Order: sequence, then C-alpha cells, then structure tokens
Amino acid sequence: DTEVTQTPKHLVMGMTNKKSLKCEQHMGHRAMYWYKQKAKKPPELMFVYSYEKLSINESVPSRFSPECPNSSLLNLHLHALQPEDSALYLCASSQGDGSRANVLTFGAGSRLTVL
Amino acid sequence: AQTVTQSQPEMSVQEAETVTLSCTYDTSESDYYLFWYKQPPSRQMILVIRQEAYKQQNATENRFSVNFQKAAKSFSLKISDSQLGDAAMYFCAYRGASGTYKYIFGTGTRLKVLA
Repeated sequence: DTEVTQTPKHLVMGMTNKKSLKCEQHMGHRAMYWYKQKAKKPPELMFVYSYEKLSINESVPSRFSPECPNSSLLNLHLHALQPEDSALYLCASSQGDGSRANVLTFGAGSRLTVL
Repeated sequence: AQTVTQSQPEMSVQEAETVTLSCTYDTSESDYYLFWYKQPPSRQMILVIRQEAYKQQNATENRFSVNFQKAAKSFSLKISDSQLGDAAMYFCAYRGASGTYKYIFGTGTRLKVLA
C-alpha cells in the first residue's frame, strides 16, 4: 500500500460547526503532515507529527486542532472556522527522521468550504 | 532562512517537444535535498524527481531530468518528449538534511502542453 487516504474529499461547514478531516497511511511512515493550500499557491505547512508526537506547529490558530491517535492515522479537528480558512487541506507522510528517502507522499486532499 | 524561487509562473510547450522549468534556491547548508513535485489539476501531488546535494550526478527519471548546479544554487527540470499528461503545476522544493521536517516550496510553475 503506497497511498495516503484522506476523507472526506469535500466538506462544507458553517462557521459554528465542528468537523474533522481524516488521513490514513499504511506505509509505515512515522512522520505525518498537514498542509493548507490555496488555489494556485504552494502548500503551506501547518503541523507535523513525528513518531506520534507533535513536532511542528506553524503558529496555526487554535480553531485547528491536530490529533495523531496512532502511527497510521492523523486527524484535523475544525471548530469555529472563518471563510478565509476555505482551502484544500493536504495530508502527507514520510519516513521518519534520519532517512535519506524522506520523500513526501501526499493524499488527494480535502477541499473545505466555510460558509 | 532558506528560500526557493520559481521565476516562471507559467510555461507552454508543444506536445513531443522539450521544456525546462527553472528553480533557484538559497541556503547556507552544505547538505540538503531538492525535489520536483507535480500537481495535475484536481489531482494529488506526486514526486517527479529527487536530487541529493552531495551527489554530483544529475538525477533522471525516464523523460524527466534535472540540471543541478550546486555552486549556482540552481535546480532546473527538463521534460523531454512532452505529453498531454504532463500538464500540471510543478513545485520545486528544498529540505535540509539536518533532520528537519520542513520542506520549502517554490511558488510553482504552471505547465501547459499544446496538442
């Protein structure tokens, strides 16, 4: 299995809703990432989990809450979002720190629309 | 801080022709990795090619090759025998070799392939 699976593919939510994005990989990768991507822009790093511990938080607003329940799963909990948070949210994974093969494997993304 | 610059927002190439996408970067590190990622419209981002800075030999993957000039901090991507399926946004990315999880992405080049 060489895939990163993201669900849902599309999500529409109101500013008062609580929702979650889910990401799963079974490649044995020990680093998992959340990126935010606006149209025609590069991905912007949000969070990195390394060996199930939060390694990087790029000063993301607290309305985004990541969770890594185990080495294969990564969630992004969403609450009280703003319309400007509408974007494509990409999950990625890579082998753990120290490996020279640290290529990012991306999921297809979850397209989020905040009304 | 490291930076990655892609100076060509958009490029066009005739089918079966060759095109070169430019990427320059700035870093004070001596060991690092460089990547080209491809993101087709509404499809997931995938790795095209990877170069390790300590290797002098330019990486090649079938129709894709790079021209890595370490002294000039240049990392261009050459696509030979362009195909319609090559149409995508191409991102150049940098990652230091010192155990970081941060990938620095360029702003991207949109490649159009003309039939």
